[in-house]
Amino acid sequence: GAVVSQHPSWVICKSGTSVKIECRSLDFQATTMFWYRQFPKQSLMLMATSNEGSKATYEQGVEKDKFLINHASLTLSTLTVTSAHPEDSSFYICSAPSEDRRSYEQYFGPGTRLTVT
Amino acid sequence: KQEVTQIPAALSVPEGENLVLNCSFTDSAIYNLQWFRQDPGKGLTSLLLIQSSQREQTSGRLNASLDKSSGRSTLYIAASQPGDSATYLCAVSSSWGKLQFGAGTQVVVTP
Repeated sequence: GAVVSQHPSWVICKSGTSVKIECRSLDFQATTMFWYRQFPKQSLMLMATSNEGSKATYEQGVEKDKFLINHASLTLSTLTVTSAHPEDSSFYICSAPSEDRRSYEQYFGPGTRLTVT
Repeated sequence: KQEVTQIPAALSVPEGENLVLNCSFTDSAIYNLQWFRQDPGKGLTSLLLIQSSQREQTSGRLNASLDKSSGRSTLYIAASQPGDSATYLCAVSSSWGKLQFGAGTQVVVTP
């Protein structure tokens, strides 16, 4: 089956620094990937849609200058949290849709736990 | 705006009992509905995907139904086991690729 990986699986950083999270589709191509955020005890919320070769589209309320998304290839999307603050501490999960667009199936990465101190 | 609600928020059952998890959504114009399992601190495991044209899907002890007109889905887990303890999330897709998640049902199966 299709596999999506994320790196790192967890990261601790100091307030004010930037953190990059990678999302890779390992055995299929993904022209589009999605980034979700999950705060403790809450459900996943879609942050943005990452588009290969073009700008990402952000959901309402998500700061595009703070969460930089780069989809540089058909298998890699990166999310950079710039000038991170403790309130950015969360679980970040990416997903990539099936190459068969008729199926609407999504494959999720294992997630990245970000803690900002 | 699509809203997804899961009831109950938490559920504790003894081993062997059947589990019934409910999911409702406000906009019936969906492409599909998915059920996921999430273990503490982990990512998502896809359990079942029901296309909008389908009424149910089955996989082993799991069965999920979909009534799109009434905006409801139910996940049944037969003969629960302690290993079934996790949070179960339902999500609907109203536009390609984007999923709207419910808050989840936290399940504990006691031996």
